Amino acid sequence: DAGVIQSPRHEVTEMGQEVTLRCKPISGHNSLFWYRQTMMRGLELLIYFNNNVPIDDSGMPEDRFSAKMPNASFSTLKIQPSEPRDSAVYFCASSSLFLSTDTQYFGPGTRLTVL
Amino acid sequence: AQKVTQAQTEISVVEKEDVTLDCVYETRDTTYYLFWYKQPPSGELVFLIRRNSFDEQNEISGRYSWNFQKSTSSFNFTITASQVVDSAVYFCALLSGSARQLTFGSGTQLTVLP
Repeated sequence: DAGVIQSPRHEVTEMGQEVTLRCKPISGHNSLFWYRQTMMRGLELLIYFNNNVPIDDSGMPEDRFSAKMPNASFSTLKIQPSEPRDSAVYFCASSSLFLSTDTQYFGPGTRLTVL
Repeated sequence: AQKVTQAQTEISVVEKEDVTLDCVYETRDTTYYLFWYKQPPSGELVFLIRRNSFDEQNEISGRYSWNFQKSTSSFNFTITASQVVDSAVYFCALLSGSARQLTFGSGTQLTVLP
């Protein structure tokens, strides 16, 4: 079975540019999570969705960040405009609300570098 | 509030040694789940194990074993006969109450030397 798929795997952009990260959750999972990992702050939850609806976006750092989940099989995280401090690894994870396990499975991550 | 503490920032062992990674958690909820994830140098986060708060039975999977003790709020991870391929950052995480987001510890960098 395919795991969580993220694209691109690496993104290098210049300050001020728009960046869009993409995620395809595991088929049948109905919860999706976006995390950011940095050396200074570790793994931080940015936002999560249940059944395509954003539930908690309190971790989104600024208005420059936005996330959407137009359907059960696709989500995007957009940064506009990007800044050097946004450089990090961004992970997407999914889990099943209907199973009691709540185990989150992570994608391979997108390494973002903003110059 | 939930909190996970991994006091060991870095551990270095020689191949075939046993090593234990410590994890201490804090939560006021009676129902919660504990996880361990592995992050190898390639960067992905790999799920290793999940335990719920009502099951204190220790678990063994090959060279891996986990010791869950509610009395000390600990969920420690032992690798027996370590191998170079075990080198990675290991994260302990907590999911408790109605919150569905994981609270991660800061991770332990394990280096297994040949």
